[in-house]
Amino acid sequence: ETGVTQTPRHLVMGMTNKKSLKCEQHLGHNAMYWYKQSAKKPLELMFVYSLEERVENNSVPSRFSPECPNSSHLFLHLHTLQPEDSALYLCASSQDARVNTGELFFGEGSRLTVL
Amino acid sequence: QQPVQSPQAVILREGEDAVINCSSSKALYSVHWYRQKHGEAPVFLMILLKGGEQKGHDKISASFNEKKQQSSLYLTASQLSYSGTYFCGTERGDYKLSFGAGTTVTVRA
Repeated sequence: ETGVTQTPRHLVMGMTNKKSLKCEQHLGHNAMYWYKQSAKKPLELMFVYSLEERVENNSVPSRFSPECPNSSHLFLHLHTLQPEDSALYLCASSQDARVNTGELFFGEGSRLTVL
Repeated sequence: QQPVQSPQAVILREGEDAVINCSSSKALYSVHWYRQKHGEAPVFLMILLKGGEQKGHDKISASFNEKKQQSSLYLTASQLSYSGTYFCGTERGDYKLSFGAGTTVTVRA
């Protein structure tokens, strides 16, 4: 059983819909991340939160809006997406945001398809 | 800046060895290796900090040459369970862990 849980696992949405991805970690970590994984492309860092404060926004379009209400939960709110946004969205957590000190624990991802 | 991995894919028979390379054009503070099996989450293998240390995990080991900004992952006497996509992640002392495009390893009986 993974310590990082993502829901939903699969999501199909139209370009005008609004939906949200949810991530929950049960590891007591202080940092959480959103990564985008597209076919044949490197994992792309989207957002980093440390102690519920956003510390990194990696030039992500405003149609993606993250929210971190507490250190255990992370959301990615989606609106007016484009077909090229279809991808696997991975959530991860770590003890703290200093990535050189420890590993990232990934969830299994939310597979998003934008029609 | 994302690291470059090579090769893109490798096919092995059980018991064979392989090397996966990861290089960056920028100075690195640390290199991270992960493995992702199809339909599963990426799983951490090891971190190498600058200093040229070598680490091992079972028969999977890695080295980090900070002067060359390169890391290599060594799969020794490969097992079927080693199949998956291997990603290197590089970090330059900030919050960003940049991943390579991955190397797909297929181990056949």
